[in-house]
Amino acid sequence: GQNIDQPTEMTATEGAIVQINCTYQTSGFNGLFWYQQHAGEAPTFLSYNVLDGLEEKGRFSSFLSRSKGYSYLLLKELQMKDSASYLCAVMDSNYQLIWGAGTKLIIKP
Amino acid sequence: IAGITQAPTSQILAAGRRMTLRCTQDMRHNAMYWYRQDLGLGLRLIHYSNTAGTTGKGEVPDGYSVSRANTDDFPLTLASAVPSQTSVYFCASSDSPGQVTEAFFGQGTRLTVV
Repeated sequence: GQNIDQPTEMTATEGAIVQINCTYQTSGFNGLFWYQQHAGEAPTFLSYNVLDGLEEKGRFSSFLSRSKGYSYLLLKELQMKDSASYLCAVMDSNYQLIWGAGTKLIIKP
Repeated sequence: IAGITQAPTSQILAAGRRMTLRCTQDMRHNAMYWYRQDLGLGLRLIHYSNTAGTTGKGEVPDGYSVSRANTDDFPLTLASAVPSQTSVYFCASSDSPGQVTEAFFGQGTRLTVV
């Protein structure tokens, strides 16, 4: 079967750094996506990784290891507005997205 | 503003009633999707359409039907609603099926079946 695992909830302090992990087992792999979803809103695209390594985009970075079936999203200089759920999704061999349940990130002042 | 529009934003529906959730996009995307999102579970694909005139079943299609008469519209119909269909429904679109492109989401429809 196909499976995406992420922690359910994480708490971090404003100004700090947090790493959200995602492990996956899927039928084929055509890349891994991270989306941000604020409460009551639609998911919005953050990043895409298909090759091993780190992709940096401002305060957010995403890492992929295909051999380990592992990714993480790194958020630096946390701001209160970063309080949201972060969704990990893998595109399988049929180009369909398989979604994790999401990690709710709580930022405290 | 270009994007995806869903209607209604929320609805309370009596069990056994028929309901159509509307979804319209103006980005001329070929692929469209319907997901449901439930607490503790990831987004689950209900139905999808790779291009106008074609549809396919996703992970949880039972109790739902879709049509894709044109590029812009992708309505989702619940023929006879049941309480287990209480969920938040998201419509999404992407440029090219069978390729790696990001998906864009509508604002969601919160449906409660009582």
